[in-house]
Amino acid sequence: AQSVTQLDSHVSVSEGTPVLLRCNYSSSYSPSLFWYVQHPNKGLQLLLKYTSAATLVKGINGFEAEFKKSETSFHLTKPSAHMSDAAEYFCVVSVITGGFKTIFGAGTRLFVKA
Amino acid sequence: DTEVTQTPKHLVMGMTNKKSLKCEQHMGHRAMYWYKQKAKKPPELMFVYSYEKLSINESVPSRFSPECPNSSLLNLHLHALQPEDSALYLCASADWAGGATDTQYFGPGTRLTVL
Repeated sequence: AQSVTQLDSHVSVSEGTPVLLRCNYSSSYSPSLFWYVQHPNKGLQLLLKYTSAATLVKGINGFEAEFKKSETSFHLTKPSAHMSDAAEYFCVVSVITGGFKTIFGAGTRLFVKA
Repeated sequence: DTEVTQTPKHLVMGMTNKKSLKCEQHMGHRAMYWYKQKAKKPPELMFVYSYEKLSINESVPSRFSPECPNSSLLNLHLHALQPEDSALYLCASADWAGGATDTQYFGPGTRLTVL
């Protein structure tokens, strides 16, 4: 069975400090992993994705994530938070196992303090 | 053009009304999706169309009826909805290159309120 766990429902950081949003997954198959961001009352925007190429994935707006198979993790990081990063972030697992399956994590709300 | 458009932005309907949500993309994508998102929750997959054929229906009630008239358009017909169906309805599209690795491009959503 496939599942995604985002370990923090809320994360609060000060502007200019590092961001860490944690995601663990469980999958019986080789998964594709994604991070999406959703600003209030907006659709979702892809930040980055892992598809079995390089384990360190760089995305838009200075975000990156590292796929660690041994830890079944795909944590999202950014060296320096900006006020505009305040949003909801979703970690997503996608697999093909006799049918296509996309599984969203519960989401992490990022707050950025001035 | 990497945009998915959805109309209307907002919709208020009574439980006896019939309405439709519309989604359009011009990226040549062959997979299109409907999601339902309740407040402070992740999106939940409702339907997937692949090459204009319904490939996934996640046990959605029949009061929601999807339609894919062509490769660029996706509709969601609504009839006899309940207040608990109030939510943000998101459309997405992807270049169906195998499925799991496809990036889904999301529209801004339609905010539906059922009275």
